[in-house]
Amino acid sequence: EVQLVESGGGLVQPGGSLRLSCAASGNSFSSYGMNWVRQAPGRGLEWVSTISGSGGSTYYADSVKGRFIISRDNSKNTVYLQMYSLRVEDTAVYHCASVPGTMIFDNWGQGTLVTVSS
Amino acid sequence: EIVMTQSPATLSVSPGDRATLSCRASQSVNTNLAWYQQKPGQAPRLLIYGASRRATDIPARFSGSGSGTEFTLTISSLQSVDFAVYYCQHYNNWPPITFGQGTRLEIK
Repeated sequence: EVQLVESGGGLVQPGGSLRLSCAASGNSFSSYGMNWVRQAPGRGLEWVSTISGSGGSTYYADSVKGRFIISRDNSKNTVYLQMYSLRVEDTAVYHCASVPGTMIFDNWGQGTLVTVSS
Repeated sequence: EIVMTQSPATLSVSPGDRATLSCRASQSVNTNLAWYQQKPGQAPRLLIYGASRRATDIPARFSGSGSGTEFTLTISSLQSVDFAVYYCQHYNNWPPITFGQGTRLEIK
């Protein structure tokens, strides 16, 4: 089983930037697609972004397209989410999650809180 | 975008009873449907995928059914550890991936 640990969350002003990291333990990291899923306080789950195992394909929700960039470093077993032009509505706990092939989120990290506020 | 709608928003059930949670898709997702359980302060946990296949280490009291646009998660005999929020999620034609808004299962 893959263990996932997120970091990099914090308080940022509207318009600011932040980079999240998700470190994975275990073998075969490059065989997993990796994702970011967020949850605003008291709200449901929202898919944010996906990156393929090789890193060659990326996908984004319309709400973050053009502002967020997902990337991965398979040599470090880490996936990143670079967030620009942050908005108040981006405030959420950001979870990373792995997918074995099809888009079934079989392992999740505990999440890191991003708060966008002035 | 495929919209996932869960009902009811909140379900009150007594321990030992059966719980039935519903999920509807705005268009067919075949059997590309997963269910997750989330407890307060915890990450979601995969319960069911392929509409009816239990994930690793998920107890047999959890079962899923349905195809196309109508899906059901049934918990046959509720235990105290089962009271949580449950989400459905499609993965049929993406992006985007979308989740239902969740059903809160509470103790009656």
